[in-house]
Amino acid sequence: AQKVTQAQTEISVVEKEDVTLDCVYETRDTTYYLFWYKQPPSGELVFLIRRNSFDEQNEISGRYSWNFQKSTSSFNFTITASQVVDSAVYFCALSELDSNYQLIWGAGTKLIIKP
Amino acid sequence: GAGVSQSPSNKVTEKGKDVELRCDPISGHTALYWYRQRLGQGLEFLIYFQGNSAPDKSGLPSDRFSAERTGESVSTLTIQRTQQEDSAVYLCASSLGYGSETQYFGPGTRLLVL
Repeated sequence: AQKVTQAQTEISVVEKEDVTLDCVYETRDTTYYLFWYKQPPSGELVFLIRRNSFDEQNEISGRYSWNFQKSTSSFNFTITASQVVDSAVYFCALSELDSNYQLIWGAGTKLIIKP
Repeated sequence: GAGVSQSPSNKVTEKGKDVELRCDPISGHTALYWYRQRLGQGLEFLIYFQGNSAPDKSGLPSDRFSAERTGESVSTLTIQRTQQEDSAVYLCASSLGYGSETQYFGPGTRLLVL
């Protein structure tokens, strides 16, 4: 069973629309960490956010926001008023003691923002 | 400040040749990681270093792959007798320590084996 599931393979929206990227994870640990990375067409992975399992407070950074819900094992990422520059592949990842804290990656969601 | 750097950025080689890929981590980062990403795919973990030692080499795809790290700094990933299926982007990341710390990635080396 996948430990990190990003069910949306590809999402396409028109610029200025809001878009949410889903991430569902599976772990038995009580202490774990969740991450989101962005991979634009240039290829470099850009760190966006790290969240530990004890902090369920939602986070907002400009047009980006993250909704962490332990009850549903989800860590969803929303981009508000999307822009063409947001076009990229977005990866969600899990770090847990059970896996010796190696990053467990989702398959990624390709986000296409059309002008 | 300086991020993770990798060289070369692109490498084209012939099948059967050996290649060396280099990674310079962020200064002060004790943990270093290598990943492989095939076209349109996710990240495949290869190996990590804590200091100069690699406790877990199970991610290396075959014995043609090896990696070393010296001086708790630069790391080299070597692929011997390259095969066409080795064509991929090889990504390096570093973190302050091993474990739950955030990994910061380099730009990758795009390897094409003809």
